[in-house]
Amino acid sequence: DQQVKQNSPSLSVQEGRISILNCDYTNSMFDYFLWYKKYPAEGPTFLISISSIKDKNEDGRFTVFLNKSAKHLSLHIVPSQPGDSAVYFCAASAIQGAQKLVFGQGTRLTINP
Amino acid sequence: ETGVTQSPTHLIKTRGQQVTLRCSSQSGHNTVSWYQQALGQGPQFIFQYYREEENGRGNFPPRFSGLQFPNYSSELNVNALELDDSALYLCASSPGLETQYFGPGTRLLVL
Repeated sequence: DQQVKQNSPSLSVQEGRISILNCDYTNSMFDYFLWYKKYPAEGPTFLISISSIKDKNEDGRFTVFLNKSAKHLSLHIVPSQPGDSAVYFCAASAIQGAQKLVFGQGTRLTINP
Repeated sequence: ETGVTQSPTHLIKTRGQQVTLRCSSQSGHNTVSWYQQALGQGPQFIFQYYREEENGRGNFPPRFSGLQFPNYSSELNVNALELDDSALYLCASSPGLETQYFGPGTRLLVL
């Protein structure tokens, strides 16, 4: 039972263009969402988060959009840079309780020069 | 301020053995969580400790156990290792129930 899904295993984008990574969830109890970036041989690095009371959160080149009715969130990176090439994980949690993170399978983003 | 550190970085064990993995939390963080990441998958929650007490557990058998110490460092113990336990084990710390920050992980191979 995959409660958080990232349906695109990989994405290739030209440097300078916009990268859009998508994530869907099924559990309506989730009310806090995060994006992590992971390079090989390193742990996931926190990028940006959003609470369910918002529909958008922006931090520099990174913007996360949340559509609660569709149970969908997306991460926009603009402009994309070669250093953005990594695996991106979407994660969700319910604020109440243990706040365990439920992760998607990841999307490998490649930025081409 | 140091980030989350884990030891060892790599480990090879044989089926049936026991293993202990260690994690030092980021300074000021009193919550630690452990995750297992199999190849090609996202991390899966094992359990969480808050102020030395278990604060939630994922769908892992009892042979996965943990400890959190007064200095908020932590251990993950796995008994009776199985081949499927081969994975990257990630520790994450947070100041209370806030955003979790991950260490580099320990890669375990069970032969």
